[in-house]
Amino acid sequence: EAQVTQNPRYLITVTGKKLTVTCSQNMNHEYMSWYRQDPGLGLRQIYYSMNVEVTDKGDVPEGYKVSRKEKRNFPLILESPSPNQTSLYFCASSPTSGSGETQYFGPGTRLLVL
Amino acid sequence: KNEVEQSPQNLTAQEGEFITINCSYSVGISALHWLQQHPGGGIVSLFMLSSGKKKHGRLIATINIQEKHSSLHITASHPRDSAVYICAVSQGAQKLVFGQGTRLTINP
Repeated sequence: EAQVTQNPRYLITVTGKKLTVTCSQNMNHEYMSWYRQDPGLGLRQIYYSMNVEVTDKGDVPEGYKVSRKEKRNFPLILESPSPNQTSLYFCASSPTSGSGETQYFGPGTRLLVL
Repeated sequence: KNEVEQSPQNLTAQEGEFITINCSYSVGISALHWLQQHPGGGIVSLFMLSSGKKKHGRLIATINIQEKHSSLHITASHPRDSAVYICAVSQGAQKLVFGQGTRLTINP
């Protein structure tokens, strides 16, 4: 089944404890992106990647890192999480030309930072 | 002012009613997306359009590039249509900018 998977789906952690949220797609898509969703603010783009080894900042990149060493994987790294990073995170992918194509979203990861 | 504005923010209707959700944007775009977010949180792409009109089942999406406006219509609405509908615009090939979403509730 063609899909975007995220792990973990739910995570409670403490301030300062490094964590990684994984994102993987099995559709051979070139474009991948991370978003966070907060009440009253909607969805906002964190980072995106047009292809392997090509990543760039979105609108809210502070406090996050990403890497794209393989086409299928695009992990989101929080080196030192803070409570303001408590949010619902979505990974998405599209076939080739980026945000101008149909986006395929992962199921979301709900993160609580205490 | 947000680059993408949706209206209404909340909409409650009775089963069978015709629904319209509006999206206005203030930036140049390469495409516009309509997304549906289920109560469980998952997001599904409904439409991606850059001109004209698209139809899928009871859903219709239109866009007017000159007026920078798009509408999502639902005909013969059903309680299972209850969800949050999100408009998003593509800026170039990289960025997606989202509206705040419209929470739709269809009562039986």
